[in-house]
Amino acid sequence: DTAVSQTPKYLVTQMGNDKSIKCEQNLGHDTMYWYKQDSKKFLKIMFSYNNKELIINETVPNRFSPKSPDKAHLNLHINSLELGDSAVYFCASSQGRGREEQYFGPGTRLTVT
Amino acid sequence: DQQVKQNSPSLSVQEGRISILNCDYTNSMFDYFLWYKKYPAEGPTFLISISSIKDKNEDGRFTVFLNKSAKHLSLHIVPSQPGDSAVYFCAASGGGNQFYFGTGTSLTVIP
Repeated sequence: DTAVSQTPKYLVTQMGNDKSIKCEQNLGHDTMYWYKQDSKKFLKIMFSYNNKELIINETVPNRFSPKSPDKAHLNLHINSLELGDSAVYFCASSQGRGREEQYFGPGTRLTVT
Repeated sequence: DQQVKQNSPSLSVQEGRISILNCDYTNSMFDYFLWYKKYPAEGPTFLISISSIKDKNEDGRFTVFLNKSAKHLSLHIVPSQPGDSAVYFCAASGGGNQFYFGTGTSLTVIP
């Protein structure tokens, strides 16, 4: 039983396209996150939602738009993809919005050509 | 601006010996720290945490040490086992659920 799942696992697309990555957690957690791991292995938070409410919104181009239809799902939509968007994107969840361990999905490797 | 740094990209250790992974941070507001372990093609998994009110936290073979004055923490694994071979990330928080991660150290335990 996968706790945090992401689809797709791999995504190869061309510059200028629009794509979405989906995330689902079955842990009953209230908070979900999107992280980006770039080529230098730097894992950086992008967004966090608590009960469908946006609580962390780091400096991310507005081409990136998260959507949380319910507290078990947090999707990431990216418009007008650029070469620099190539990275591994991780979804995570935690029980609350405090300092707790986060449970990560397996990652989505996005390659923009 | 990277607030959490892991300056050793890789480390090799013989099975049975101690592995010491280091992490430095620059933000004096950080007061809660976690270590995560990551296998290839998987997401990071939580390993151990420490609050700034402590200087040591132990869980089985894993011990985390915190030196607040030096803004330094370390993860000790004793004894090291081949299954410990993975990338280890440290993460720090100054409040709430926003964590800043280092770039990871790849540990190889040689049988």
